[in-house]
Amino acid sequence: EPEVTQTPSHQVTQMGQEVILRCVPISNHLYFYWYRQILGQKVEFLVSFYNNEISEKSEIFDDQFSVERPDGSNFTLKIRSTKLEDSAMYFCATGGLAGGADTQYFGPGTRLTVL
Amino acid sequence: AQSVTQLGSHVSVSEGALVLLRCNYSSSVPPYLFWYVQYPNQGLQLLLKYTSAATLVKGINGFEAEFKKSETSFHLTKPSAHMSDAAEYFCAVSDPNTGNQFYFGTGTSLTVIP
Repeated sequence: EPEVTQTPSHQVTQMGQEVILRCVPISNHLYFYWYRQILGQKVEFLVSFYNNEISEKSEIFDDQFSVERPDGSNFTLKIRSTKLEDSAMYFCATGGLAGGADTQYFGPGTRLTVL
Repeated sequence: AQSVTQLGSHVSVSEGALVLLRCNYSSSVPPYLFWYVQYPNQGLQLLLKYTSAATLVKGINGFEAEFKKSETSFHLTKPSAHMSDAAEYFCAVSDPNTGNQFYFGTGTSLTVIP
């Protein structure tokens, strides 16, 4: 069964550094998402991406965050200048259809630790 | 706005006993509802989903959930727990009218006691 993959599985960085989290979506999916989960808290929506542009974003997704599909396969989340509070598990998800009914398929996550 | 409440961050059951994981939602419109399971060091795997068809939904691994509009609930059940069911379970809701984002509960960690 096709899977969403994410790299790295764990990223440790110093505060103020840039990080790029990578996701390889399921090949025929058109919609891409990033979520995050701070330890002990809810999984929170960050951003959705379709047709090479952001379709929705949450309040969390401020100017420090950006997403792109640089080569038509990988889907990346960049955090420009990491803060301690960015430490969380980041999940990529992909789906085929719009409107919310479609299942979102999640990757295993990248654990980001900001020191 | 959508939201989900999962009562009980930790649930323990004996092997062979009934599993009941609670999920209540808040939505201004009939929502779509999902249960995901997360095994250690793995991604979120879909167990089942409700998208306005039958209110009793059957999923993988013997799990099922019933959508009860009057109670705004979508509780997950399994008649007989297996050791392999030990995992983290997440309930999620989406609004079919406003977009694709999912709103998750805080999760329930299920322990199965042999």
